[in-house]
Amino acid sequence: AQSVTQLDSQVPVFEEAPVELRCNYSSSVSVYLFWYVQYPNQGLQLLLKYLSGSTLVKGINGFEAEFNKSQTSFHLRKPSVHISDTAEYFCAVRGNAGNMLTFGGGTRLMVKP
Amino acid sequence: DGGITQSPKYLFRKEGQNVTLSCEQNLNHDAMYWYRQDPGQGLRLIYYSQIVNDFQKGDIAEGYSVSREKKESFPLTVTSAQKNPTAFYLCASSIALQAGGQTQYFGPGTRLLVL
Repeated sequence: AQSVTQLDSQVPVFEEAPVELRCNYSSSVSVYLFWYVQYPNQGLQLLLKYLSGSTLVKGINGFEAEFNKSQTSFHLRKPSVHISDTAEYFCAVRGNAGNMLTFGGGTRLMVKP
Repeated sequence: DGGITQSPKYLFRKEGQNVTLSCEQNLNHDAMYWYRQDPGQGLRLIYYSQIVNDFQKGDIAEGYSVSREKKESFPLTVTSAQKNPTAFYLCASSIALQAGGQTQYFGPGTRLLVL
C-alpha cells in the first residue's frame, strides 16, 4: 500500500516570492509521481510528472519538482509566484503494479499582492 | 478538440432518488475512473474500468454503481443507499496500463448537492 502526505494544508505567500509545496510518500515499490493543480470549481490539470530518468522535472506555468528517493519526497517549487497561481495543488503517487493513483490531501496556495 | 466532458456541472438530488452523472471522453483511452472530492480532502477512488464491459470497485464504492458499455462513456449512478452524497465528482481517463498508462487526465467535475 502507498500513501501520500502533503505537509502543509495552506501556504500563504506574497506575489513574486518563491514557494515550495512539500510532498512525501510511502511505498514499498518503485513509484510514479505527479503534481496536479485545481482551480476553484474545476477539474485537475496535470502540472508535471516523474516517471523515470532525471530527478528534476519541469512542468507547466514555471513549476518544477525534484524526486528524492532517499527522502521519499517530491516537492514542488516555483521561483516567483503570480496571483494566478492561487489554487489547490495535489501530489499523487502510483505504484508500478497497478494504475491506481493515491492522492495527498492537497495544499492551498494563496498568493497575496 | 480531445478531452473529457462531464455533465451536468451541478446536480441536485432529492431524498431516496438515484441520480446519474455522465462522463464522456474522445481521447481513445481504455481506462476510466471516478473520484469523489470532499472539502479539504484529497480525491478518493469510487470505481474504475480498465476495459469495456469490465469495472472494479475502488476504495469507497458503497452506494454507487457504474457501467461501461462503450469505450467513450463511463456513467456513475449515485443510489439512494449513499447517505452522504454531497461532494464534487471527478471523472478521469488514461491509456491502458500495458501501453504505459501512468498519467490520468481529468474532466471538469460535477457538483452534487442534496435538497
